[in-house]
Amino acid sequence: GAVVSQHPSWVICKSGTSVKIECRSLDFQATTMFWYRQFPKQSLMLMATSNEGSKATYEQGVEKDKFLINHASLTLSTLTVTSAHPEDSSFYICSAPRTGRLNNEQFFGPGTRLTVL
Amino acid sequence: GDSVTQMEGPVTLSEEAFLTINCTYTATGYPSLFWYVQYPGEGLQLLLKATKADDKGSNKGFEATYRKETTSFHLEKGSVQVSDSAVYFCALSEPGGGNKLTFGTGTQLKVEL
Repeated sequence: GAVVSQHPSWVICKSGTSVKIECRSLDFQATTMFWYRQFPKQSLMLMATSNEGSKATYEQGVEKDKFLINHASLTLSTLTVTSAHPEDSSFYICSAPRTGRLNNEQFFGPGTRLTVL
Repeated sequence: GDSVTQMEGPVTLSEEAFLTINCTYTATGYPSLFWYVQYPGEGLQLLLKATKADDKGSNKGFEATYRKETTSFHLEKGSVQVSDSAVYFCALSEPGGGNKLTFGTGTQLKVEL
């Protein structure tokens, strides 16, 4: 099946620094990717839709200047958490839909654990 | 807005026991419904789905039926195995929603020998 990778799998950073997380579709092209955030024992919350070649679409309440998204190619989207603070500590997950003849199926990355000290 | 409610876990069962994980939803339209599974250290994987009322999704012995009248999509398996231990997420997607998924909180299943 299709594979989506994320890098890094975990990161620890100091408050005030910026962290970049990569999401790659390894064997298919994705014009759209999604970024989710998951708090412990809570559901995945959609943060934004990453669009190749155009601006990302952010969900209500998500600060676009804080969570910068760049969809540089058909296989790569990056999420940069700028000026990170402890409240940004979370599990970040990306997904990419693969368009098929019969249906679309979303493939998820394994997630990135961000801890801000 | 759309929402998905799942039973809280963890659910602990003995091997070969019957499994039910409840899921109900609220949606403005006629959504597609999904169950995703997340094994330790891995990304979410699609387990099964149903796209219209009364459809039954099935895979790996798991089943779920799209019940419009009760807005439910409960996950069932007749005989669980230790290898089924994972976190299970119920989700929905609205037609024309651009592949966006709304997830439940996830239910952790632990199967013991």
